[in-house]
Amino acid sequence: SSEVTQDPAVSVALGQTVRITCQGDSLRSYYASWYQQKPGQAPLLVIYGRDKRPSGIPDRFSCSNSGNTASLTITGAQAEDEADYYCNSRDSSGYVVFGGGTKLTVL
Amino acid sequence: QVQLQESGPGLVKASQTLSLTCTVSGGSISSGNYYWTWIRQHPGKGLEWIGYIYYTGSTFSNPSLKSRLTISVDTSKNQFSLNLSSVTAADTAVYYCASLAYYSGSGSYYMDYWGRGTLVTVSS
Repeated sequence: SSEVTQDPAVSVALGQTVRITCQGDSLRSYYASWYQQKPGQAPLLVIYGRDKRPSGIPDRFSCSNSGNTASLTITGAQAEDEADYYCNSRDSSGYVVFGGGTKLTVL
Repeated sequence: QVQLQESGPGLVKASQTLSLTCTVSGGSISSGNYYWTWIRQHPGKGLEWIGYIYYTGSTFSNPSLKSRLTISVDTSKNQFSLNLSSVTAADTAVYYCASLAYYSGSGSYYMDYWGRGTLVTVSS
């Protein structure tokens, strides 16, 4: 199956903008979806498709796609955004693939 | 709104079969809108896709687990289940069930509803 990779950790100052990236060949063909996971909780879908946010997800979360890279952007990061973020896609065979996760620290 | 709840033993002996059930509420498992999915997370690690099932019984599984894995659906109970045989300590993880949907004809996936997860520990 085709892998997607993420940077292990990213930090951002409170109120600033941060970009979390996901790379993989499958992203040339398929959109990534993004999940936020806080300690002891289930993952929460924050972005899917072409920059779609589920109900209740703040509009400071957005995504973009370029070539083999999908990016999750948090504009004006808040303390409550500190979490692990996972990207997810699929490969051409239909296998579901997850990135290894990015730990976001809000300073 | 769809809700999912995992249930099953929290402790399984090595070499035995891990069995979990996910009960779906707030919607019909037979709606055809979702592929019903199992995902696990080893302690302190990332997410690993296990497999999914459609309400018709059609399944698709992670190749690394396929030989030990059975996923089934009971539409009358609005439940789907996971059986993982010959478990070892490496199968100790939090197991999640989730609903997988296709995005707008693109073929892309997303999982919009998740259970809270259940920790399964494999003991020797």
